[in-house]
Amino acid sequence: DTGVSQDPRHKITKRGQNVTFRCDPISEHNRLYWYRQTLGQGPEFLTYFQNEAQLEKSRLLSDRFSAERPKGSFSTLEIQRTEQGDSAMYLCASSLGGQLSGNTIYFGEGSWLTVV
Amino acid sequence: EDQVTQSPEALRLQEGESSSLNCSYTVSGLRGLFWYRQDPGKGPEFLFTLYSAGEEKEKERLKATLTKKESFLHITAPKPEDSATYLCAVQAKGGGNKLTFGTGTQLKVEL
Repeated sequence: DTGVSQDPRHKITKRGQNVTFRCDPISEHNRLYWYRQTLGQGPEFLTYFQNEAQLEKSRLLSDRFSAERPKGSFSTLEIQRTEQGDSAMYLCASSLGGQLSGNTIYFGEGSWLTVV
Repeated sequence: EDQVTQSPEALRLQEGESSSLNCSYTVSGLRGLFWYRQDPGKGPEFLFTLYSAGEEKEKERLKATLTKKESFLHITAPKPEDSATYLCAVQAKGGGNKLTFGTGTQLKVEL
């Protein structure tokens, strides 16, 4: 169990540029989540995949944000035309679905984005 | 809309001084209540999941309890290495699988 892996850990970009983050979930976890966290706040839900299907998107996820999970394995989160307000830590998480009760959700170390 | 409120925002303890962190929540049917620990610059580290009122879970110096309206994280005889931000989150029934987080309690344990 290597945990949830995210890449890159840090990204500095100029306003207006596109950025892409990658997440490799814990192997065999069929559920994958993206969250965003700013300083002093708790993580905010962005989107959720079960296998390759994107089942839920937050209204926080503007049209400039797109997430994919081809083949139900790794996932990418792309932000187009970045704005300074996009500066945050982007967290990926995964869990093993199939239970009626809540499932343990494991987080990666996050990808820090700074838009200058 | 699901809501989570954590208190206090910050807590400073002396080593060995036990205390409790509070997590109040409103949710349309609780599927699970989660506690995480987060160190600066890192992702949240899973601690506990509680599913129903009256449930308790323990791990080393930490003990989490749950009622129908709130959860407590009790820290017994804390050590400096327990210093971190502790996050509480709820997962609602029929609300997909997303977690709704509070803003956390920043704990500092001093020698």
